[in-house]
Amino acid sequence: RKEVEQDPGPFNVPEGATVAFNCTYSNSASQSFFWYRQDCRKEPKLLMSVYSSGNEDGRFTAQLNRASQYISLLIRDSKLSDSATYLCVVIGSSNTGKLIFGQGTTLQVKP
Amino acid sequence: SQTIHQWPATLVQPVGSPLSLECTVEGTSNPNLYWYRQAAGRGLQLLFYSVGIGQISSEVPQNLSASRPQDRQFILSSKKLLLSDSGFYLCAWSGQGKYLVTQYFGPGTRLTVL
Repeated sequence: RKEVEQDPGPFNVPEGATVAFNCTYSNSASQSFFWYRQDCRKEPKLLMSVYSSGNEDGRFTAQLNRASQYISLLIRDSKLSDSATYLCVVIGSSNTGKLIFGQGTTLQVKP
Repeated sequence: SQTIHQWPATLVQPVGSPLSLECTVEGTSNPNLYWYRQAAGRGLQLLFYSVGIGQISSEVPQNLSASRPQDRQFILSSKKLLLSDSGFYLCAWSGQGKYLVTQYFGPGTRLTVL
């Protein structure tokens, strides 16, 4: 089993749609969780951290379920500019802060 | 503010040639530094990380090596490139400490080995 698993998609949605991405992780000792966004042929950029209580940043909402070892990202009112690959990222329990990346979920927002 | 630089941006090298990729960070001190590789259509793979000058940890066996000669400089090297070394190489930094784990990536180097 992969340490971090995501549905690779692609998710093709119309502008204005709400879309949700899911991610599962295998190490129950994992302590920190993030969503990164990666545009084609560019470096990943931090989208948001994921907190136990859930957190929202504008149209983006991240949720963490430690019991199920599950992370989600919800995007409301999709924009064309949201088209990208979304990477689920987990940090294990070590002190080095090594990131473990999922394969990414590709989102294509259509006009 | 902190910035991270990588060069070159793109590189085409023949099989068997040496490699040197450089990464530098500005605006912070004593960062953790990381080298990742992203092969075409695949996820990011951690290659090396460093928590201080001269301290390098390797994650996967390969013909690559890393060095950290200065606090904010991280170098990825190879003596002889293989075809399988082609990919997108990303350097990242983070602060040290339990609450400083967010990693920020440089613009990357796209390497093609022919």
